[in-house]
Amino acid sequence: GAVVSQHPSWVICKSGTSVKIECRSLDFQATTMFWYRQFPKQSLMLMATSNEGSKATYEQGVEKDKFLINHASLTLSTLTVTSAHPEDSSFYICSAKRSRTSTDTQYFGPGTRLTVL
Amino acid sequence: KQEVTQIPAALSVPEGENLVLNCSFTDSAIYNLQWFRQDPGKGLTSLLLIQSSQREQTSGRLNASLDKSSGRSTLYIAASQPGDSATYLCAVIKGPAGGTSYGKLTFGQGTILTVHP
Repeated sequence: GAVVSQHPSWVICKSGTSVKIECRSLDFQATTMFWYRQFPKQSLMLMATSNEGSKATYEQGVEKDKFLINHASLTLSTLTVTSAHPEDSSFYICSAKRSRTSTDTQYFGPGTRLTVL
Repeated sequence: KQEVTQIPAALSVPEGENLVLNCSFTDSAIYNLQWFRQDPGKGLTSLLLIQSSQREQTSGRLNASLDKSSGRSTLYIAASQPGDSATYLCAVIKGPAGGTSYGKLTFGQGTILTVHP
């Protein structure tokens, strides 16, 4: 149990376009989902925390108007990279947990590789 | 601000060797510490989770220890195999004293492990 999927697994887009990445909890309801970004040979950096039915909370330095997060259901959160630029190219990973308990286990998705040309 | 450091950054060993990966963190007010494995271009697989009240956890050939007071954790891999080749990440989760960081994972940079036949 506790499987998290992401779609697409990779995407290539032109500079200036918007890209939507989906994160789904397949066999459990996720009240909270997290979005991370990982640059090559670097660690994961938390971008935002998404609670179902409420606005996402963004980490310092992350532009909320550029990285739109929607968590409209208990099994789906989406990250939209608006007006993507080459510097947005990265590996985006989501995680999900069952409850809003702060220390509940996070289950990670397989990641989405975004390349902006 | 919590900082997590992993040493070494990379490690190459022959098959069969026992090895130790190190993780240190600057703020000992953690709730738990988790070790993950990441294969190239993939998401994270949780290996071991140690609660702050625990000293170690074991799973198969893996043993993780935690010394919260000194801000250190080690991951011991016995009888390494080529299939163990991956990046190993440690992450700490802040406890209630963490304020807005409560429940958020802070990752180290990872150790890239290569086990050659």
